[in-house]
Amino acid sequence: AQSVAQPEDQVKVAEGNPLTVKCTYSVSGNPYLFWYVQYPNRGLQFLLKYITGDNLVKGSYGFEAEFNKSQTSFHLKKPSALVSDSALYFCAVSGPQAGYQKVTFGTGTKLQVIP
Amino acid sequence: DVKVTQSSRYLVKRTGEKVFLECVQDMDHENMFWYRQDPGLGLRLIYFSYDVKMKEKGDIPEGYSVSREKKERFSLILESASTNQTSMYLCATRDRGFPQHFGDGTRLSIL
Repeated sequence: AQSVAQPEDQVKVAEGNPLTVKCTYSVSGNPYLFWYVQYPNRGLQFLLKYITGDNLVKGSYGFEAEFNKSQTSFHLKKPSALVSDSALYFCAVSGPQAGYQKVTFGTGTKLQVIP
Repeated sequence: DVKVTQSSRYLVKRTGEKVFLECVQDMDHENMFWYRQDPGLGLRLIYFSYDVKMKEKGDIPEGYSVSREKKERFSLILESASTNQTSMYLCATRDRGFPQHFGDGTRLSIL
């Protein structure tokens, strides 16, 4: 079975500081990994994905994530946080066992950027 | 841009009612998904469909059914609504590749 862990329910960071939202995964075989963001009363918006290739993935709004196979992690990062980055962030994984049909989401991390 | 439209943003129903949640996409995507989102539990897959009239159970299908008669429309049915089905329901679509594209959700309350 595939699974995702987001160990922090909430992350607080000051505006202008770097931010990291952590994600670890468990899957048999090569994973597809994703980050999504959710603003209040909205659906999820896609930020970035890792399928294959370069371990450092760049996405929307200045976000990036690094795939680390040995640590089974895919942490989301941004060099300088904005107040408008405050939202709920979801990490997700899809694995080959189900033919990459199913995507499993983490429980979400609430990011609060303090002015 | 992909547009995924869920018919209702907010819905209030009574225990025992049959409830229909509708999702329509405009991009001719093959795959459509229904999730429920609950605080502390993230998103959990209820059902998905990879083609018209085809459906697959997700992780929590009990108490739900689905219908996909046309490619663009995927319906979630609560056969006999119960209070533990009060939740945010999210529809998503994707083509053969990734990512998934989500609707804005239906917040369903069962009284």
